[in-house]
Amino acid sequence: EVHLVESGGGLVQPGGSLRLSCAASGFEFRTYSMTWVRQAPGTGLEWISYINSGATSILYADSVRGRFTIARDNAKNSLSLQMNNLRVEDTAVYYCAKSGFDYWGQGILVTVS
Amino acid sequence: QSVLTQPPSASGTPGQGVTISCSGGFSNIGRNHVYWFQQLPGMAPKLLIFRSDQRPSGVPDRFSGSKSVTSASLTISGLRSEDEATYFCGAWDDTDFVFGTGTTLTVL
Repeated sequence: EVHLVESGGGLVQPGGSLRLSCAASGFEFRTYSMTWVRQAPGTGLEWISYINSGATSILYADSVRGRFTIARDNAKNSLSLQMNNLRVEDTAVYYCAKSGFDYWGQGILVTVS
Repeated sequence: QSVLTQPPSASGTPGQGVTISCSGGFSNIGRNHVYWFQQLPGMAPKLLIFRSDQRPSGVPDRFSGSKSVTSASLTISGLRSEDEATYFCGAWDDTDFVFGTGTTLTVL
């Protein structure tokens, strides 16, 4: 069974940094692309970043480009999102999702205040 | 700001059918497949439809998707109380993935 578990969220001041992690299990992680999606309180979904299986193709939304860095460790079945220079508007629940959005983690709350 | 527009709300009674629309453009729906997601309150989104009209295993055949040029639709037949949720469409738009504005479905 596929499991995606996010960790690393919390409260941070504007301008601060956080690193989110997503632990994957139940599938051959190294062969699938992964994505981060976020959802600000009471609002819709926002795609923020994508990484392919070999980390040779990486994409970012304009809203986070230059501040966020996606990475993966295929040996550890782990996806990460380094978030720097955080802004109040980055406050959201952050989800990691498997290729094709077929599986999602439970989400982790990041509060910038 | 989302480039895929959905009606903010929809409703139906148990047993009825309801269709939710998703309007986009040539750069997204016009060129790429559409995804549909269901999000129950307080839960992570769940994939309902991929490749515009394909259902993942485990998704009831009451849910169906279609696409025409630059718009897409999600149809739910035989509404059930557990279908009460927010539904989002999504599609790739060049190197961005864009989500719809979301439609909250109420089962009366």
